Amino acid sequence: DVKVTQSSRYLVKRTGEKVFLECVQDMDHENMFWYRQDPGLGLRLIYFSYDVKMKEKGDIPEGYSVSREKKERFSLILESASTNQTSMYLCASKGASNTGELFFGEGSRLTVL
Amino acid sequence: GDSVTQMEGPVTLSEEAFLTINCTYTATGYPSLFWYVQYPGEGLQLLLKATKADDKGSNKGFEATYRKETTSFHLEKGSVQVSDSAVYFCALRAGGGYNKLIFGAGTRLAVHP
Repeated sequence: DVKVTQSSRYLVKRTGEKVFLECVQDMDHENMFWYRQDPGLGLRLIYFSYDVKMKEKGDIPEGYSVSREKKERFSLILESASTNQTSMYLCASKGASNTGELFFGEGSRLTVL
Repeated sequence: GDSVTQMEGPVTLSEEAFLTINCTYTATGYPSLFWYVQYPGEGLQLLLKATKADDKGSNKGFEATYRKETTSFHLEKGSVQVSDSAVYFCALRAGGGYNKLIFGAGTRLAVHP
């Protein structure tokens, strides 16, 4: 089974702190994604990566950056957390084929005080 | 741009009732369509998909038919169970080889005994 593991299920941070959210997948997938999930808004794409060291902005990249130094790991970075970044963050991965199935982690719920 | 619209929830049903969750989309080209489900405390998982017009996706008693003429992909199940209680997301992947999925806002389903 494909496994996508997010390092922290729950985090509480203060405004202005730097936050790292880590995601690791074990299926040698080329593509990895970070979404945020908010009630009534569904999932919105923050960033994605189609290869090591490659990244593309999604629909809401402002206030975020990412890092993909190894194929299995995709990190989301909040350089200076703000209260409007309180949300559920979901990582997903996908192979190179065009079947379109994403495999998701369980999510990281971030609260910024 | 491409978008997905789902009926607002929550949808509350008694066990063995018939379920319909409406989903319509706007997209250029020929998108692939998906339904994902998120059970409480878990990440999203693929429920079913359809990649071309008139295709019917099915899984676990759920069905959805890709209707190009009405740009719809409604989710149906003939007899719901308490264990179907979850949030359901409709999504599309635009044609042209772009990997990202665009999600609807999600519809929460609560099934009571």
